[in-house]
Amino acid sequence: SQQGEEDPQALSIQEGENATMNCSYKTSINNLQWYRQNSGRGLVHLILIRSNEREKHSGRLRVTLDTSKKSSSLLITASRAADTASYFCATEYGNKLVFGAGTILRVKS
Amino acid sequence: ETGVTQSPTHLIKTRGQQVTLRCSSQSGHNTVSWYQQALGQGPQFIFQYYREEENGRGNFPPRFSGLQFPNYSSELNVNALELDDSALYLCASSRGTGGPLEQYFGPGTRLTVT
Repeated sequence: SQQGEEDPQALSIQEGENATMNCSYKTSINNLQWYRQNSGRGLVHLILIRSNEREKHSGRLRVTLDTSKKSSSLLITASRAADTASYFCATEYGNKLVFGAGTILRVKS
Repeated sequence: ETGVTQSPTHLIKTRGQQVTLRCSSQSGHNTVSWYQQALGQGPQFIFQYYREEENGRGNFPPRFSGLQFPNYSSELNVNALELDDSALYLCASSRGTGGPLEQYFGPGTRLTVT
């Protein structure tokens, strides 16, 4: 079974709007990462947040981590059509990443 | 795009056959991990190779096996293919096995088993 669970499963917004995706996990973690996947291709690493960090920014991306609630959120501001993709959170256990089922984001232009 | 390449891009096999998928890691990376991604799901960890040795395995049967070569490229072999093996197979390379596991993924191989 997968460790992380993303919410919502799918999200459809207009270009320029903000998109928020959430991820919950079950056990304690060292790091949590977010990846993007376009059209069933390879995953692209977006951002990594360590367990002792609460918030991290990278360009239009903002990630928060709440270890007490075992949850993380990814905010994409001022979305673009090119942001249309699947987004996955991944938690790190030893030498492997455990992924959730992902959120499908569609940005309409 | 990452420097990780995979071949072939697509593959169609018949149930019971065997398949070999290949992955070239990014320059400077000595660790390769393999993941299986079924349609509509997130990737699931198959196993990892570090310096030519298996370094951890997920919940996959022994008919999934692998190799890593001295140049750190890797192969994934699947014997006695089953219909449920149809999936996107992703390899990811990284530097070492300690610290934050920031992995660089290849474009994947789409395997269809009929």
